[in-house]
Amino acid sequence: AQSVTQLDSQVPVFEEAPVELRCNYSSSVSVYLFWYVQYPNQGLQLLLKYLSGSTLVKGINGFEAEFNKSQTSFHLRKPSVHISDTAEYFCAVSDPAGAQKLVFGQGTRLTINP
Amino acid sequence: DAGVIQSPRHEVTEMGQEVTLRCKPISGHNSLFWYRQTMMRGLELLIYFNNNVPIDDSGMPEDRFSAKMPNASFSTLKIQPSEPRDSAVYFCASSSWGTGNTEAFFGQGTRLTVV
Repeated sequence: AQSVTQLDSQVPVFEEAPVELRCNYSSSVSVYLFWYVQYPNQGLQLLLKYLSGSTLVKGINGFEAEFNKSQTSFHLRKPSVHISDTAEYFCAVSDPAGAQKLVFGQGTRLTINP
Repeated sequence: DAGVIQSPRHEVTEMGQEVTLRCKPISGHNSLFWYRQTMMRGLELLIYFNNNVPIDDSGMPEDRFSAKMPNASFSTLKIQPSEPRDSAVYFCASSSWGTGNTEAFFGQGTRLTVV
């Protein structure tokens, strides 16, 4: 079985400041890792994913994440946030050998203050 | 492609009534997923289909919930009878499993309120 823990339920930051949203996972097998973003009253949109290879992955809207196998982490970062980044962010894992069903973390609400 | 299409976007119903949520996956996708989002439990997988066949329904909370996929372009999630604790946002997602594509695409969701 797999599980995902997002360590912060809410993260407030000022505009143009850097941000890191933390994600840790647990799995007995190798995993694919994902970050999704959910804007208010919208569905989930893929930000980035890690399948294999380089541990630093870049996604849309200037976000990037680093896979750390030893720490079972996949933290999301952005060097300078904008008001438009205000949203809920979900970390998720899936089993590469299975279907693409996702196990999600509880989400982190990112609030950008002017 | 218009993406995953869910209907209705909002549904308000009285306790005890039957509710049917609908989903049209992206054309060509062979996997379809139903998720439920609540404040208490977050995003949880209810059931998923592969090539129209239910593969894992272990997330379906009770016998009041049922899901069907009669063809590759349509799926329904039915709750009968509905209860206030079923109030949530229900998402449908689709993907192309086995093709090397690893992304699941989500619909806009159906916000269900049972009063």
